[in-house]
Amino acid sequence: KNQVEQSPQSLIILEGKNCTLQCNYTVSPFSNLRWYKQDTGRGPVSLTIMTFSENTKSNGRYTATLDADTKQSSLHITASQLSDSASYICVVSDRGSTLGRLYFGRGTQLTVWP
Amino acid sequence: EADIYQTPRYLVIGTGKKITLECSQTMGHDKMYWYQQDPGMELHLIHYSYGVNSTEKGDLSSESTVSRIRTEHFPLTLESARPSHTSQYLCASSEDRGRGETQYFGPGTRLLVL
Repeated sequence: KNQVEQSPQSLIILEGKNCTLQCNYTVSPFSNLRWYKQDTGRGPVSLTIMTFSENTKSNGRYTATLDADTKQSSLHITASQLSDSASYICVVSDRGSTLGRLYFGRGTQLTVWP
Repeated sequence: EADIYQTPRYLVIGTGKKITLECSQTMGHDKMYWYQQDPGMELHLIHYSYGVNSTEKGDLSSESTVSRIRTEHFPLTLESARPSHTSQYLCASSEDRGRGETQYFGPGTRLLVL
């Protein structure tokens, strides 16, 4: 069964600290993996997209890694800011259909305290 | 910032009423989607469209219907709202830049059926 599991479910950190969010997936075949940020009351916004051959992708203070062999990805946030408080969603796409079906994780709810 | 809009943002309505959730995008994307998202849960695809006059049901069984008469417009209709329809509804459109589709989400409609 194709699944995307994220951990932790929720995380609280102090402003300025770093954190790492995890995503494990069983989706096969694999096309690409995205991390989205969803602010409360808003739609998700894409942070990074990684294909099979990519190991690391950075977007400002966000760095995503991908290990396609172990089917794991992580999102590292450096020097966290209050505005980083949001839900971070891991989304994996297969290539088994013309739609390029997407499998969504439940997200990690990150809260940054001052 | 994605050019995809949803109205209303919030809706409280009584059981049995007919409602239409509006979604429009100005990016010229052919593919559009409707997702349902409950708090702390993953997004579930309920409808999608490849283009004008194309509509398909998604993974999650839904009593809603959609139409795609114009490229930019993808409304979702509930003929008779029930409390079980209470949820957040997210509309998205997508483009493929050769690295897999990237979806752009609207801000969502939070629906409460009393």
